[in-house]
Amino acid sequence: KNEVEQSPQNLTAQEGEFITINCSYSVGISALHWLQQHPGGGIVSLFMLSSGKKKHGRLIATINIQEKHSSLHITASHPRDSAVYICAVDRAGGTSYGKLTFGQGTILTVHP
Amino acid sequence: SQTIHQWPATLVQPVGSPLSLECTVEGTSNPNLYWYRQAAGRGLQLLFYSVGIGQISSEVPQNLSASRPQDRQFILSSKKLLLSDSGFYLCACYRTGALFFGSGTQLSVL
Repeated sequence: KNEVEQSPQNLTAQEGEFITINCSYSVGISALHWLQQHPGGGIVSLFMLSSGKKKHGRLIATINIQEKHSSLHITASHPRDSAVYICAVDRAGGTSYGKLTFGQGTILTVHP
Repeated sequence: SQTIHQWPATLVQPVGSPLSLECTVEGTSNPNLYWYRQAAGRGLQLLFYSVGIGQISSEVPQNLSASRPQDRQFILSSKKLLLSDSGFYLCACYRTGALFFGSGTQLSVL
């Protein structure tokens, strides 16, 4: 079993829909990251969470440390949100932040 | 703000040839630096990380090596490429709570 599991693996939505991507992990962590990878391959860091909730524009990320679960929500989805969304964790107890363990990614396609 | 320069963007190399991928960081000092690889159809995997000049840690046994000759320069190398070295290579930088990625290098070994 992977240490970081994402669901769903593929997600198709119509423009305007509310989208949720889930991430569960099985190890102790110091932080969890949500990343966005566009077809060209470049990766952008969306959020870094260690507790609670963060919001940036139409994106919301939440984390429940006790349940070892995080969600990424996209409100009013748009075709430009189409990308691969990746959950990654920084293991607890390490001194080198950024040594991430990645989920397999969720491929999101938003149709107009 | 921090910027990561990574080159080349694409590279096609024959089996057995050497490799050198370079990553430089601007806008910060003493960052943690990372090399990740994404094989076709698979997730990202950490290859090397560095917390300072000359300090390299390897996460997986492999045909590759890394060096950090300067604070903001991170190099990924191989003496002889294998077919299995094909993939998408990303450099990343972590500093003061933020994680940044380079634009990546698509390596095809033929």
